[in-house]
Amino acid sequence: DTAVSQTPKYLVTQMGNDKSIKCEQNLGHDTMYWYKQDSKKFLKIMFSYNNKELIINETVPNRFSPKSPDKAHLNLHINSLELGDSAVYFCASSQDTGELFFGEGSRLTVL
Amino acid sequence: AQSVTQLGSHVSVSEGALVLLRCNYSSSVPPYLFWYVQYPNQGLQLLLKYTSAATLVKGINGFEAEFKKSETSFHLTKPSAHMSDAAEYFCAVTHNYGQNFVFGPGTRLSVLP
Repeated sequence: DTAVSQTPKYLVTQMGNDKSIKCEQNLGHDTMYWYKQDSKKFLKIMFSYNNKELIINETVPNRFSPKSPDKAHLNLHINSLELGDSAVYFCASSQDTGELFFGEGSRLTVL
Repeated sequence: AQSVTQLGSHVSVSEGALVLLRCNYSSSVPPYLFWYVQYPNQGLQLLLKYTSAATLVKGINGFEAEFKKSETSFHLTKPSAHMSDAAEYFCAVTHNYGQNFVFGPGTRLSVLP
């Protein structure tokens, strides 16, 4: 039973399209995150939610909109996709123990 | 502001040799420090963490790291490399326990037969 699961694992789409990535965690954690990993493996935080409330919103284009319907879910919607959005997007969660638990990633390729 | 540097984007060692991956951090308050490993096409998994208890921290797969406040370092070591250790390794720091993680740029470890 996967602790942090993301779907889809792979996403190939055309520039200008809108797409969503879903994330669910069954660990009972209060905090969830979206990270972007670029082609050089650099990890950058995009958003963090604590108990459905946005607590970190880094300098991300407003084409990216996170949504947390409940504390077990954090979805990422991306409008008007651009070539530079191609990356691996990781969902993660954490609790009082401090460490992050990551999903397996969603590889987005924009053509 | 916190930051993490990892010296060496790529480290190669022979199987059986010592592994040393370097991590230095900057933080204005006492940090919590972590090492994560990422195998190809997978998410990151925790290797070990420092949370202000013992300065020498043991993790999974025979890895350990030592927190040295005077050097602002948290280097990762393993006495004897195994082929299965080949992966990307990330050092991370936070001062809000459970939030605001900052990751280093990663070090790719190659293990040669």
